[in-house]
Amino acid sequence: KAGVTQTPRYLIKTRGQQVTLSCSPISGHRSVSWYQQTPGQGLQFLFEYFSETQRNKGNFPGRFSGRQFSNSRSEMNVSTLELGDSALYLCASSLAPAGSSSYEQYFGPGTRLTVT
Amino acid sequence: QKEVEQDPGPLSVPEGAIVSLNCTYSNSAFQYFMWYRQYSRKGPELLMYTYSSGNKEDGRFTAQVDKSSKYISLFIRDSQPSDSATYLCAMSAVGDDKIIFGKGTRLHILP
Repeated sequence: KAGVTQTPRYLIKTRGQQVTLSCSPISGHRSVSWYQQTPGQGLQFLFEYFSETQRNKGNFPGRFSGRQFSNSRSEMNVSTLELGDSALYLCASSLAPAGSSSYEQYFGPGTRLTVT
Repeated sequence: QKEVEQDPGPLSVPEGAIVSLNCTYSNSAFQYFMWYRQYSRKGPELLMYTYSSGNKEDGRFTAQVDKSSKYISLFIRDSQPSDSATYLCAMSAVGDDKIIFGKGTRLHILP
């Protein structure tokens, strides 16, 4: 069974630009969560999608947005990039939504975004 | 006080030793507890998933939850150099969509 895939794996952008990251969950998984990982802050929750609906959002500015398609694939968009957005962006998928007793999430390899 | 506290390490132990990794937390509503292993330049990998208190064993790994002390542990028996990685604890409450992660402990197993 294929794991979670993320594209691209590496990305370099300049301040002010926007970026779109893609995540394909494990087949059959309907929950997709996005996280930002930095050395200083660790893993921070961005948002979760389940069946195309955003269920929850972390404490990030509105420049961070996402969506989920009917095939459960998800995209994350960051507009007006800032230097502080440089991070590893991780996507995780699960059969059940977060907070349920059968919630087990599996992470992709991440997209490393560098903003210059 | 942070919701989840985890010693960043690094923790260096000789091969074959028993490793103990720990996290403390402040939110008594947490019921789901997870341990992830993350190798350099990779995404976290789910190792253990437990609900409420008690122990869970899987091969060389044992997860313990002590809700009265708000303390969770991961034990690794017969540690191997391939266990060298960052270990992250994570937890969430029933019905809560957010999973809170510790910042991770870097573990080095010395051959």
